[in-house]
Amino acid sequence: SAVISQKPSRDICQRGTSLTIQCQVDSQVTMMFWYRQQPGQSLTLIATANQGSEATYESGFVIDKFPISRPNLTFSTLTVSNMSPEDSSIYLCSVGSRSNTEAFFGQGTRLTVV
Amino acid sequence: GIQVEQSPPDLILQEGANSTLRCNFSDSVNNLQWFHQNPWGQLINLFYIPSGTKQNGRLSATTVATERYSLLYISSSQTTDSGVYFCAVAPGSYQLTFGKGTKLSVIP
Repeated sequence: SAVISQKPSRDICQRGTSLTIQCQVDSQVTMMFWYRQQPGQSLTLIATANQGSEATYESGFVIDKFPISRPNLTFSTLTVSNMSPEDSSIYLCSVGSRSNTEAFFGQGTRLTVV
Repeated sequence: GIQVEQSPPDLILQEGANSTLRCNFSDSVNNLQWFHQNPWGQLINLFYIPSGTKQNGRLSATTVATERYSLLYISSSQTTDSGVYFCAVAPGSYQLTFGKGTKLSVIP
């Protein structure tokens, strides 16, 4: 399985500011994904990060709020823009296995907006 | 989209007890995974099991794809088993739809 590193692991941010979360994988992967987990809730897919093209967003998520970059096959960033307390969540990066359809997750970024 | 239902939502066990967690899903899937989320929020892969049966130590899982359900068995539970257990499925490949989870508390 791939080794996935996310930074920062946690942060406390002021409302109205933006935070960029980084996801680094130790091998080239075709598919990278970003998920959100609101407090006490399950995980929801935000978007698929496509290398060389715009990310594909799920219903309810928009590029202006969650811009995503994917400059190469081992790295992606998710920015949470113009934050409000409702954005307080755990954000997780995920990649797909090269041998089957199994998904693996980074350790997550715990964001608190005050 | 595909629906995933997990039961029970909460479970309290005495240390050493056995338990069965269930996951029902509404459509055919190419991927079904069980995860354990620890108190720090990290998701641990337990099983990749779109069909069949697998075992790993005290844990085992069975997926009956034709009947659209999966079961996770925990035997001889330990306090370190506490946390939330998620079932997640994908009709295609990696883009997972998660159930709401089962919160397990194992008490000494």
